[in-house]
Amino acid sequence: TQLLEQSPQFLSIQEGENLTVYCNSSSVFSSLQWYRQEPGEGPVLLVTVVTGGEVKKLKRLTFQFGDARKDSSLHITAAQPGDTGLYLCAGAQSGGGADGLTFGKGTHLIIQP
Amino acid sequence: NAGVTQTPKFQVLKTGQSMTLQCAQDMNHEYMSWYRQDPGMGLRLIHYSVGAGITDQGEVPNGYNVSRSTTEDFPLRLLSAAPSQTSVYFCASTLAEGAGNTIYFGEGSWLTVV
Repeated sequence: TQLLEQSPQFLSIQEGENLTVYCNSSSVFSSLQWYRQEPGEGPVLLVTVVTGGEVKKLKRLTFQFGDARKDSSLHITAAQPGDTGLYLCAGAQSGGGADGLTFGKGTHLIIQP
Repeated sequence: NAGVTQTPKFQVLKTGQSMTLQCAQDMNHEYMSWYRQDPGMGLRLIHYSVGAGITDQGEVPNGYNVSRSTTEDFPLRLLSAAPSQTSVYFCASTLAEGAGNTIYFGEGSWLTVV
């Protein structure tokens, strides 16, 4: 069974600060996805990274896939209260994970005004 | 746009009762799956389907049955509910295998077994 260790589990910071969330595994994934989940809703895809060393940016969010495709990070610059939520990383054994994703336990992020 | 629709949103069952969680998607997606989300555990795959008539087990399939008679629907059946099945259940779908295809999740079904 592939495992994804996500850290930190909880993070509360002030508006304007920067933060990084980590997702680590001993297994290689074909792709890794980051989701954001709001209370009472399902996860919503933010980004998919496929190539080792790949970096993708989504406004103030920067996603990186490790060179060995075993780990990933999410960096948020100048966090805003609207960034508050549960962030999940998920790895696919093959392709995009249509036949199942391995999820990390999530990072609960609170941005205080 | 309906996307992935799950019903019911909330359900309370007594131990031993059976029920079916419904999932429907209107995007003509081939792949569908069911996950459960528990505090401190993340989402775990229960069953998945790669097309009508084809299903397979995920990480935690015990106590659950699925079928895929049509492309649109992928119901999850609890045959004899147990308190350990108290969880939030998410159905997901995607068009095809491949990293370029987005996986869409439903809004979830909250199940409590007493």
